[in-house]
Amino acid sequence: ELKVEQNPLFLSMQEGKNYTIYCNYSTTSDRLYWYRQDPGKSLESLFVLLSNGAVKQEGRLMASLDTKARLSTLHITAAVHDLSATYFCAVDDGGSQGNLIFGKGTKLSVKP
Amino acid sequence: SAVISQKPSRDICQRGTSLTIQCQVDSQVTMMFWYRQQPGQSLTLIATANQGSEATYESGFVIDKFPISRPNLTFSTLTVSNMSPEDSSIYLCSVGLSETQYFGPGTRLLVL
Repeated sequence: ELKVEQNPLFLSMQEGKNYTIYCNYSTTSDRLYWYRQDPGKSLESLFVLLSNGAVKQEGRLMASLDTKARLSTLHITAAVHDLSATYFCAVDDGGSQGNLIFGKGTKLSVKP
Repeated sequence: SAVISQKPSRDICQRGTSLTIQCQVDSQVTMMFWYRQQPGQSLTLIATANQGSEATYESGFVIDKFPISRPNLTFSTLTVSNMSPEDSSIYLCSVGLSETQYFGPGTRLLVL
């Protein structure tokens, strides 16, 4: 059974600081997704990582995937208040239907 | 990307009743998924719905409780049957398109 673990679950940051969210998963998968969820809102797709060594960047967020270590990271550079949200990683379970298994999410709060 | 709408956006229901949630997408898609997000929690996959075949349910979810229809490539419904307060959640549909999954805005359900 595929399990996805994120840490930390809660993260309080000062503006301008850097930090990394980690996503570990338990079985082989070649697809990993990062989503953002604002309070009371749906999920916004941030990154899709499809191969070992994949790195994608958008603004102050950068995601990477190491399929051998079964680890993805979401790095935040020079955080700003607008990045406050809950971030989820999700892993394709490798079946034919493309089911996603979600981590518990990291609630990020960026303080001025 | 895909534009996904859900109806209703929210509802308050009495225990023992049923609610049908509609999901409409602006393009034809093979895979549609239904997820549940309990308050403050991550997302759990309920079932996968492919057009022309019966939905595939995840462990812990059964057709009698969560019947799903998928009459065409742009539409699906999820019914929450014989509701109890434990069914209070956000229900989200998602579609697989262009290597990622896009999520609808969600239906916020409160069962009294």
